[in-house]
Amino acid sequence: GAGVSQSPSNKVTEKGKDVELRCDPISGHTALYWYRQSLGQGLEFLIYFQGNSAPDKSGLPSDRFSAERTGGSVSTLTIQRTQQEDSAVYLCASSLLNSPLHFGNGTRLTVT
Amino acid sequence: AQSVTQLGSHVSVSEGALVLLRCNYSSSVPPYLFWYVQYPNQGLQLLLKYTTGATLVKGINGFEAEFKKSETSFHLTKPSAHMSDAAEYFCAVSGSGGGADGLTFGKGTHLIIQP
Repeated sequence: GAGVSQSPSNKVTEKGKDVELRCDPISGHTALYWYRQSLGQGLEFLIYFQGNSAPDKSGLPSDRFSAERTGGSVSTLTIQRTQQEDSAVYLCASSLLNSPLHFGNGTRLTVT
Repeated sequence: AQSVTQLGSHVSVSEGALVLLRCNYSSSVPPYLFWYVQYPNQGLQLLLKYTTGATLVKGINGFEAEFKKSETSFHLTKPSAHMSDAAEYFCAVSGSGGGADGLTFGKGTHLIIQP
């Protein structure tokens, strides 16, 4: 079946511009996560959605970062006024409750 | 609170040799433990998991890991390395089944296979 789909796969943007990253989770998965992967830093948790509950935003690094999940399915991660330190691979994952995560291939963001 | 330490950011082994990737964890509750693999330009793929029961767990591609509570370890092994095993490996710990926000990843170990 279809896995987690992320788009775009690569994004190059100028410093100060806003970007939107999209994640299509596996159908029926109630949980959705965003992680940031920087070189040599492992995975940094950003935000977590579970069903209709309020999202856990505790990992968002600044107020320039926001995410929404519409209709309990597709999610968009928005970064406003991008900075060079935002350059990283942004990974989305989905899961059933209390089950292992299924990851997308990520979006590689480069801020010039 | 929980944390994961992966010893060695890079590990190099010869093709056919034993693979050993080390992972130590800390957790205030009984842990659920995972190993994920990431091939270049791809997302993470679950290799294996420990939840309860048998402490030696087998995963895909011939990998296995043993949960040792006394050593707070969950090292990943494979008897004979293959060139296709070259990838980044992440150990993770959770206080539940791995679907909640308590999943914490290590910084990863890059496995290099020498011909």
